[in-house]
Amino acid sequence: SQTIHQWPATLVQPVGSPLSLECTVEGTSNPNLYWYRQAAGRGLQLLFYSVGIGQISSEVPQNLSASRPQDRQFILSSKKLLLSDSGFYLCAWSVQSGTPAYFGPGTRLTVT
Amino acid sequence: GIQVEQSPPDLILQEGANSTLRCNFSDSVNNLQWFHQNPWGQLINLFYIPSGTKQNGRLSATTVATERYSLLYISSSQTTDSGVYFCAVPGSGSEKLVFGKGTKLTVNP
Repeated sequence: SQTIHQWPATLVQPVGSPLSLECTVEGTSNPNLYWYRQAAGRGLQLLFYSVGIGQISSEVPQNLSASRPQDRQFILSSKKLLLSDSGFYLCAWSVQSGTPAYFGPGTRLTVT
Repeated sequence: GIQVEQSPPDLILQEGANSTLRCNFSDSVNNLQWFHQNPWGQLINLFYIPSGTKQNGRLSATTVATERYSLLYISSSQTTDSGVYFCAVPGSGSEKLVFGKGTKLTVNP
């Protein structure tokens, strides 16, 4: 069966510091991978998605970037965090567009 | 882009009660998902339901794609049903899922 992992689970970082969040998927090959952010107030917003190694699409221009160095690894990064980057970051995967998406446990980021 | 509206935004029930959550979407879709976000933040897949009705235990969902809405039914609610329920549909021409703002369900013992 497929599983999705995210780490760290929680993170407190000062403004201006770098960020690296990692997501890995097991039990499937060539998945579509997604990064979503959930700010206070519940709404989920797609940040990035990837349909293959090295292929990244950005939905919202911002202070963040994403990379997919391996088939089942998706990384969210920032060179300098802003207060507005605080939130709950969720990684997800799907077999392909239009099929069910499955979410990881999330990383709660607080920028101080 | 497509808009997704969920109602009610908040719902408080006594254990054992039944409830219906609604999801309206502004454009035709070819699939729809319901999720439950537990108190730890994990999004749990409930249903993938492009159309018709599906049941899983005390939960069932119905999507009427032609009328652009979906309903999630929870029967005999339990305290563990508490959390936020989201519906999500594909964004037009893109890979993303567009989420509603969710219904926060609180089930009291």
